[in-house]
This record gives sequence, structure tokens and C-alpha cells, in this order.
Amino acid sequence: EAGVAQSPRYKIIEKRQSVAFWCNPISGHATLYWYQQILGQGPKLLIQFQNNGVVDDSQLPKDRFSAERLKGVDSTLKIQPAKLEDSAVYLCASSPTPDSYEQYFGPGTRLTVT
Amino acid sequence: KQEVTQIPAALSVPEGENLVLNCSFTDSAIYNLQWFRQDPGKGLTSLLLIQSSQREQTSGRLNASLDKSSGRSTLYIAASQPGDSATYLCAVSGADSWGKFQFGAGTQVVVTP
Repeated sequence: EAGVAQSPRYKIIEKRQSVAFWCNPISGHATLYWYQQILGQGPKLLIQFQNNGVVDDSQLPKDRFSAERLKGVDSTLKIQPAKLEDSAVYLCASSPTPDSYEQYFGPGTRLTVT
Repeated sequence: KQEVTQIPAALSVPEGENLVLNCSFTDSAIYNLQWFRQDPGKGLTSLLLIQSSQREQTSGRLNASLDKSSGRSTLYIAASQPGDSATYLCAVSGADSWGKFQFGAGTQVVVTP
């Protein structure tokens, strides 16, 4: 079974630029999560999707972050414009159902904002 | 608001020693607690999941205990190996959290040959 795929793996941008990350979850997994992990901290949930609908985006900075999950499969997370404090690893995870505690994580995208 | 703390932040042990990793949480009304492993450049891998009604969970050399009333969990790794070098994170979920976790910052472990 293929795991969660993410791209790019690394990205360096200047502040005020925009950036997008892509995630392909495990086939058949209805629920998809985006996490932000700042160096030295645990992952923080940004947004949770159930199929192509948003379940929880209470911690997503909506003035600059946006996310979508078209057709309930792949998802993209965008930051526009980026700030220095957005430097982090962005992790995508998927699970079979929204109340499942089995989450499968992708390798993450490491973003550096200079 | 739930807060999860892991102490120490880093730990170095010689191969063969037992590892003891600690996790504490402020709100005892949890649904379950999970221990994850994170390797550099890789995502998180679940190691053990303990339901709130359980006291411990075991898998191979790993054993995790849970004391809900005191807000503590401990992960024991017996006879450590260099391959156990990684960051270990604990995460708790509330009863109404629908699969969402509150993570600790992790303990970075180095096992030296």
C-alpha cells in the first residue's frame, strides 16, 4: 500500500512570496489533515478535511493560509504572503474515517522563509 | 486548554540501556494517548495507542503506561539499540476531538553504539 505523498520536499522563499504544497493521501482515506511543525515543537493541526469538506480549520490563519481538497482526494495548502514565522515543516496525514485515531503521515515539506 | 509536556527534551544513552520517556498533560479528561516516532526527514509513525480505560500497552520492546488521574504517561524502551535513535512524541485526544491530537514537543533520543 502506497503511503501519503507530499511535494515538494523542500522549499525556500523570500517573505511576502507565495508558496503551495501538495498532498496525495492513501487511497480510500476519507479524512485528510494538514499540520504545521515549527522546529522544536510538536505538530499543530491547521485543517481537517472529510472528503472535500472542511471539518475543522479553527487554527488556520485564514488571512494568509488557504487549503482545498478537490474531488475528495488530493489537497493543496497555500500561503500568501509568507512571513518569516511560517518557516516550519508542513505535514499531511490521512485516516480512513474522521473519528479514526490511526493517522498515516507523509514525509513533510520543509519551508524556509528568508 | 490541554497542554502536553515532554521532559527531557533530549536524551543520550549507550546501547543496551533501557529508555524512559515521560509525557504529562494538564487535562485528565482524555479519550486516548498515543506515542509516535519521528525520524529526520520522515513523517510520524504510530508506536502505541492507549485508550483512557487502559493502564498500559505493550509492543515488543516497547511498553507505555498511562495514569490518567495524575496526567502522566511513560514510554519504556528495553535494551535500546542505535536504530532507536529518533524523536518520540506523545499526543492526547479528547472524547469529542474526532481524531485530532494535541502533541507534545517530543524527546530527541540518541543511542550510542
